[in-house]
Formats: sequence, structure tokens, C-alpha cells
Amino acid sequence: KNEVEQSPQNLTAQEGEFITINCSYSVGISALHWLQQHPGGGIVSLFMLSSGKKKHGRLIATINIQEKHSSLHITASHPRDSAVYICAVQTDSNYQLIWGAGTKLIIKP
Amino acid sequence: KAGVTQTPRYLIKTRGQQVTLSCSPISGHRSVSWYQQTPGQGLQFLFEYFSETQRNKGNFPGRFSGRQFSNSRSEMNVSTLELGDSALYLCASSPDGQPRSPLHFGSGTRLTVT
Repeated sequence: KNEVEQSPQNLTAQEGEFITINCSYSVGISALHWLQQHPGGGIVSLFMLSSGKKKHGRLIATINIQEKHSSLHITASHPRDSAVYICAVQTDSNYQLIWGAGTKLIIKP
Repeated sequence: KAGVTQTPRYLIKTRGQQVTLSCSPISGHRSVSWYQQTPGQGLQFLFEYFSETQRNKGNFPGRFSGRQFSNSRSEMNVSTLELGDSALYLCASSPDGQPRSPLHFGSGTRLTVT
């Protein structure tokens, strides 16, 4: 079993829909990252969370430390949100990130 | 502030050759970490450097090595390239590499081994 599991693997939705991507982990963490990767490879850090909820524009990220679960929400989705969204956790024992497999999101106009 | 800069963006090499990739962190950041992204394995941790010292290393063969200079710029070297080394190599920098320190990523170097 992977230490970081994301769901769904693939998600196709219509423009304007509310999107939720989930991330569950099984290790002790100090922080959880949500990242976005567009075709071409560049990775952009969206959020870093250690508790609670963060909001940036149409993006909202939440984390429940007790349940070892985080969600990334996109409101009023747009075709430019099409990308791979990756969850990664920083363990509380060393400096490396453990990565989820990513969720490929396609927003159709 | 300039972001994390990785050079080159694209690279094509032949099996058996060696390659050096470069990562310039955000000014003031002292920690640089490297990751390999392949379609089959996803993103995997290679190593992390802080103040010119390797602090942590992932599970990669000795053909993969790195170093960090006094200005915090880091290089990654892969010797005796294999086809399976074809991947996107990402680096990330943070002020101190501590858990909870913000991470900033470069755009990556896409290496193709033929």
C-alpha cells in the first residue's frame, strides 16, 4: 500500500463544476503540500498545510490530521485548471517528500 | 525575487554518457532537494543538500550524485546513463529544509536517454 493515496486518478468535468480531489496518507507528517503540474512539466506549489484550511482564489485546501486526510477543492472550475494535481507529504522524521501519484483533471468548456 | 532556476530545460543523451543538471535556488534559500519523475514511478526523492552537505538520500544507485556550492546552487550528476534514466528531474528549494518550510519548485529538466 502506498503511503500517500490520491483519488480519483482521473477526473473530467464541465466548466463551472465544483471539483474535489482527495489525499489520504498513512505516515506521521509535519506538513502536506498540494501542487499543480501543467503539460510541459513545471510544478507550482499551491498550498502547504499543517492544520485547518487555506484558501487562495478559487482553490481551497483542507486537512484533517486525526483522519490523515486532505482535500483540494476548486470552485467554478475553468479549462485553464486542467492539470495534474499532486499531493505530497513532509514526514515528521526526515526532510524528504512522499508523493501521491497525482490526479489528472480535465475541465471541458 | 527570481524563482528556482533549472538548466537546461531539455537534454538528450546517449546510453553510457554522463549528464550534469543545475539548480539555482531562490536567493537566501540554503536547502535544495532533487526529485525524479517517471511515468511508471511518479515522483521520487533523490537527495537533499543543506549548506553544501548532503543531509538525506533516497534509494537510488550510486550513479546518481550531487553537490552543493557555497552560493547554494546545486548540481546533480548521473553517470553511465541508462534508458530508464529518462525522466523529468525537479529541484526544490527552501530556506532551511525544515518540515513546514515552504518549498519552491523549478520547472524541471527533461532528460531523454536514447
